[in-house]
Amino acid sequence: QVQLQESGPGLVKPSQTLSLTCTVSGDSISSSGKYWSWIRQHPGKGLEWIGFIYYSGSTYYNPSLKSRVTISKDTSKNQFSLKLASVTAADTAVYYCAREGHELDFDFWGQGTLVTVSS
Amino acid sequence: QSVLTQPPSVSGAPGQRVTISCTGSSSNLGADYDVHWYQQLPGTAPKLLIYGNINRPSGVPDRFSGSKSGTSASLAITGLQIEDEADYYCQSYDTSLSGSIFGGGTQLTVL
Repeated sequence: QVQLQESGPGLVKPSQTLSLTCTVSGDSISSSGKYWSWIRQHPGKGLEWIGFIYYSGSTYYNPSLKSRVTISKDTSKNQFSLKLASVTAADTAVYYCAREGHELDFDFWGQGTLVTVSS
Repeated sequence: QSVLTQPPSVSGAPGQRVTISCTGSSSNLGADYDVHWYQQLPGTAPKLLIYGNINRPSGVPDRFSGSKSGTSASLAITGLQIEDEADYYCQSYDTSLSGSIFGGGTQLTVL
């Protein structure tokens, strides 16, 4: 069974960089055809796709966040990471990592981690 | 603002049938991209409920079914149960975004 687990600070100061890591078990992030994504959910709101890193290492980001987002991977640890720069209170959200399969559906999700941006 | 439009809420009595609509456009559902549905119980991560318009992952009861036609899709839930109370989201790929988009979510209340 594929499992994903987010980790990282739950509190980030405004203007700093939010950094989260997703550890994957039960699948290899280098396995062909898979996208490894970050999605966030503002408190009481809907889901927003942030971006993905493909198994090959290529990345694509939501244009609304593109200037501030970097997604990278560490194949040796089977992890992928999210960095979001210059955060404000509007970036306070639950952040999920997820696997996107061949059908472009998110078939496995992490449990999510709440990140609060506050001084 | 979500590119996929869902009703904010629906409700039904136990045992009844409800449907949740998801309306897109020519850059997503109308471009022949599949729709997927997720169930999010309170305080938990979304769970894949329907993929590829009509398919149920292993373990999802056949009370849940999906359909798609043109720029619209629907999720139907028959034999409503109390434990179906949750938020439901549709999702697809959008060519304008070159990425995934979600509907705004629908809160299901079982009366």
